[in-house]
Amino acid sequence: DTAVSQTPKYLVTQMGNDKSIKCEQNLGHDTMYWYKQDSKKFLKIMFSYNNKELIINETVPNRFSPKSPDKAHLNLHINSLELGDSAVYFCASSPAAGGGTGELFFGEGSRLTVL
Amino acid sequence: GENVEQHPSTLSVQEGDSAVIKCTYSDSASNYFPWYKQELGKGPQLIIDIRSNVGEKKDQRIAVTLNKTAKHFSLHITETQPEDSAVYFCASAQYGNKLVFGAGTILRVKS
Repeated sequence: DTAVSQTPKYLVTQMGNDKSIKCEQNLGHDTMYWYKQDSKKFLKIMFSYNNKELIINETVPNRFSPKSPDKAHLNLHINSLELGDSAVYFCASSPAAGGGTGELFFGEGSRLTVL
Repeated sequence: GENVEQHPSTLSVQEGDSAVIKCTYSDSASNYFPWYKQELGKGPQLIIDIRSNVGEKKDQRIAVTLNKTAKHFSLHITETQPEDSAVYFCASAQYGNKLVFGAGTILRVKS
């Protein structure tokens, strides 16, 4: 059973399009995250939700909109895609808020390529 | 905010040798320091972590040391094996706050 699963694994699209990435965790965790990993492997947090409530919102363009319908799901919608949005997006979950109190469990990533 | 620097960016070792990756952090209030391993095409996975109330922690071939005074912590891998080849990330956080990751180290173990 996959603990944190995200779909799709690969996404190739044109500039200006809108796309979504979905994430689900079956670990019973209260907190979920979206991280962006650029071409240099740098991992940067974008958003964090604790029990459906937004608790971390980094300096991310407002073209990015997360949605958490319940604590097991966190989706990421991106409007008007730009070339610079090309990256691998990781969903993660943790038992407690903030990630600083224990292990983060990552999904396998969604590679977004904007042409 | 917290800043984490990680060195080296790439590291090549012969199988059986030791590998050491070093990180420094800026926020003296940080008290949680995990290390993650990312294999090709996978998400990062926690391999070991340490809290500020201890100076060293070991788990089989991997160990982490922490020097709070110097705001410095290191990952040590002994008797490296080809399957240790991956990207390693250090991170730091205060209790309940977001993790801040280092830039990563690509470790290559040559057999």
